[in-house]
Amino acid sequence: DQQVKQNSPSLSVQEGRISILNCDYTNSMFDYFLWYKKYPAEGPTFLISISSIKDKNEDGRFTVFLNKSAKHLSLHIVPSQPGDSAVYFCAAYYQGAQKLVFGQGTRLTINP
Amino acid sequence: EPEVTQTPSHQVTQMGQEVILRCVPISNHLYFYWYRQILGQKVEFLVSFYNNEISEKSEIFDDQFSVERPDGSNFTLKIRSTKLEDSAMYFCASSIQVSGSTEAFFGQGTRLTVV
Repeated sequence: DQQVKQNSPSLSVQEGRISILNCDYTNSMFDYFLWYKKYPAEGPTFLISISSIKDKNEDGRFTVFLNKSAKHLSLHIVPSQPGDSAVYFCAAYYQGAQKLVFGQGTRLTINP
Repeated sequence: EPEVTQTPSHQVTQMGQEVILRCVPISNHLYFYWYRQILGQKVEFLVSFYNNEISEKSEIFDDQFSVERPDGSNFTLKIRSTKLEDSAMYFCASSIQVSGSTEAFFGQGTRLTVV
């Protein structure tokens, strides 16, 4: 039951460049999407979210884009910094369900 | 900054033993959750809890699992008879309300190792 998929297990980006993390979903009932960041030995921490009625949400260096027709969202980090190295999880939620559905995660490594 | 705290950080137990994982959610939050992550896999939902009862649970959350809020601050996950496949990182989370616009805050996790 892979309702939320992150097809890239890892991504390596040069410091200062743009990092683009991708996420696909299959359940059209999802109406809210969130990105969480996770460091080793820590719990996931919330990064940014987007409602299904929007196609873009920006917060500082982080921007999330949503393409509902393609059931695809992406997280852009510009510029990438070494502290951004972590595992990034895409998660989705729909009204009436009291849970988040997570993707498998993408390990982002920012190289100096 | 308020945070969700979990104890212990690491628990090793023998197969068949009972374990209790403890969590202190953020004080003004009303919704509580347990998730788990088996090594190298995705974070999976186990159960949500509101108003002193389970509001939703996954198929993973079978009769071997139970949750409790014994007092006004703690939220516990009990596994009655642990199996090797229960070895995972268990995360407690809480939120003020349940909606996509309100993010859940996660604890640092308890690593459960069943031997």
